[in-house]
Amino acid sequence: GQQLNQSPQSMFIQEGEDVSMNCTSSSIFNTWLWYKQDPGEGPVLLIALYKAGELTSNGRLTAQFGITRKDSFLNISASIPSDVGIYFCAGRNYGGSQGNLIFGKGTKLSVKP
Amino acid sequence: DVKVTQSSRYLVKRTGEKVFLECVQDMDHENMFWYRQDPGLGLRLIYFSYDVKMKEKGDIPEGYSVSREKKERFSLILESASTNQTSMYLCASTQSSFGYTFGSGTRLTVV
Repeated sequence: GQQLNQSPQSMFIQEGEDVSMNCTSSSIFNTWLWYKQDPGEGPVLLIALYKAGELTSNGRLTAQFGITRKDSFLNISASIPSDVGIYFCAGRNYGGSQGNLIFGKGTKLSVKP
Repeated sequence: DVKVTQSSRYLVKRTGEKVFLECVQDMDHENMFWYRQDPGLGLRLIYFSYDVKMKEKGDIPEGYSVSREKKERFSLILESASTNQTSMYLCASTQSSFGYTFGSGTRLTVV
């Protein structure tokens, strides 16, 4: 099945550093979503983007829906230890199977205190 | 808040056993999904359902079946469990064009 290209695969950073990750696709998406998965839990929705160019913040998190509609990024400012987890991007392409979400493979974030 | 509940957090089953993974959502969502998650492979869609008694194959349906007899409940069935089905299984639900709500996952080990 179709997948998004999410990078980087993993990040090891120091507490207080900023983090940036992104997703790209060869096809246009109408919706971009960012999820976080804590160890041993299911993914939880962080930010949803519905419009090209949209920039949305949720606390220290900022995400943008790319102008081309083929990419999105997520930034985390001033990271803290509880930011540890796997971050997934997801996109919805209405050309696909009845609008199902397509997921990236995830970015595993480790934060050193 | 929407809640998606998976009946077991951890399961250990023997090869060849029939395994049922249960998922219940409490917000009358039409759409429900089963994924498996493996390191380096991300989330892979097994089956999904848009309505009661409806089911559609995802990307990796082999070795699995599903049942949706009631709107709130979506069951994943491993007819004859094998060791390569050891994985984290995630259920999700959604209404229309919104994001998915996931359950906490079931970590299945087949020995």
